[in-house]
Amino acid sequence: EPEVTQTPSHQVTQMGQEVILRCVPISNHLYFYWYRQILGQKVEFLVSFYNNEISEKSEIFDDQFSVERPDGSNFTLKIRSTKLEDSAMYFCASSESPETQYFGPGTRLLVL
Amino acid sequence: AQSVTQPDIHITVSEGASLELRCNYSYGATPYLFWYVQSPGQGLQLLLKYFSGDTLVQGIKGFEAEFKRSQSSFNLRKPSVHWSDAAEYFCAVGARDYKLSFGAGTTVTVRA
Repeated sequence: EPEVTQTPSHQVTQMGQEVILRCVPISNHLYFYWYRQILGQKVEFLVSFYNNEISEKSEIFDDQFSVERPDGSNFTLKIRSTKLEDSAMYFCASSESPETQYFGPGTRLLVL
Repeated sequence: AQSVTQPDIHITVSEGASLELRCNYSYGATPYLFWYVQSPGQGLQLLLKYFSGDTLVQGIKGFEAEFKRSQSSFNLRKPSVHWSDAAEYFCAVGARDYKLSFGAGTTVTVRA
C-alpha cells in the first residue's frame, strides 16, 4: 500500500539555524499539507499546497516558513531561522482529492 | 471556524471489551469528519471518514463511527478491543477549505 514518507525521522538543531523537512507524498496525489504537533498539544494545520502554490496557510505559517515542491516527488518545509517554540512533530500529508488526507510518520524537530 | 472536542483524555479498557470514544464538533455547515489513530512512533493512520449519506460508517480494524447531526457528534466504536488497539485516537473535522482541525486526542490503554 502506498504511503507518505518523511525524512529525517528526528532532527536536532540549534536556535537560529535553518532546517528543511522532507516529504515524499503518495505518487498520484495532487494536494499536499504540513501540520505540526507541539508536545502535549493538538495537531495544527500549517499550510496546504496545490498546483505549485500555497492554497491555504495558518497564522502560524509566517515568513520564517516556506514550502516547495522542488521536483516531481518531494515536498519540503523550510524553517529559515528556528526558534525554541518550533520544537514539535511535523507531519506531512497528501491527498488525491482534497477531502481525504494521508499522513506520514512525522519528523520530530528539537530546537536547542 | 470549525473545532473538535474529545472529552476523554484517557480511557482504559479490558481486552475483548467494547470501546467508545467521544467526539463533538463545531461547524456551521455539513462537515467532513475523520478518525485517525496514532500508535507510538507512528504517523496518523486514517481509520474512517464521513462525508455524507449513511450516518454509520465502517472503517479499518473493525472500527465504526456514527454521525449524529442533532448532537454534533461523531463517536467511534469497536465491539471487541484487541491489545494492538492501544494507541492515541484523534477526531478531526474538515471544512470547505479542506484543512483539518483536530481534537486533543484520546489515549486508549488496553489491559489484559
